Amino acid sequence: DQQVKQNSPSLSVQEGRISILNCDYTNSMFDYFLWYKKYPAEGPTFLISISSIKDKNEDGRFTVFLNKSAKHLSLHIVPSQPGDSAVYFCATSGSRLTFGEGTQLTVNP
Amino acid sequence: NAGVTQTPKFRILKIGQSMTLQCAQDMNHNYMYWYRQDPGMGLKLIYYSVGAGITDKGEVPNGYNVSRSTTEDFPLRLELAAPSQTSVYFCASSYSPRTGVGYNSPLHFGNGTRLTVT
Repeated sequence: DQQVKQNSPSLSVQEGRISILNCDYTNSMFDYFLWYKKYPAEGPTFLISISSIKDKNEDGRFTVFLNKSAKHLSLHIVPSQPGDSAVYFCATSGSRLTFGEGTQLTVNP
Repeated sequence: NAGVTQTPKFRILKIGQSMTLQCAQDMNHNYMYWYRQDPGMGLKLIYYSVGAGITDKGEVPNGYNVSRSTTEDFPLRLELAAPSQTSVYFCASSYSPRTGVGYNSPLHFGNGTRLTVT
């Protein structure tokens, strides 16, 4: 039972454009949502998070949106840069973190 | 601060061999975790520890053992390696057990150990 799903294994965008990464979850009891970023041969690093009491959280070029009724989370990167090319994992926090499968983002110069 | 350090970076094992994946953190975090990541899959929790001397099973503990004799170290033991254990293993630590409301304690990950069992 996959409680957190990222349905797009990969996404390719042009430098300067918007990247939108999506994540769906099944458990309405999740109260905190996070995005991690992973470069090859490195461990994931924390990027941005949002509490279930909010619907938007912004940090520089990164914005996370939460739609609780749809159980949907998205990460917007504007403008996208080649250095943003990485695998992005969404995660939800209950008694422990549950991770999605990841989306490989490629930003082309 | 080195953060979370994992050794080795790579290892090839034959079926039935055993090995220990090492993990050490220098952030004085009480909470430590072992995850595995298979291609196209998210990170699955193997074992975790809430402090020295205390460990518990995660989602996929079969075939693994852990110990936590100190705050800093959290080794993962494979006793009888099987091809299904071919994966990338990540150790992580955190200050808090949850990264929920009121906490600001994301997981800090090591750079992983890539294990192949043939």
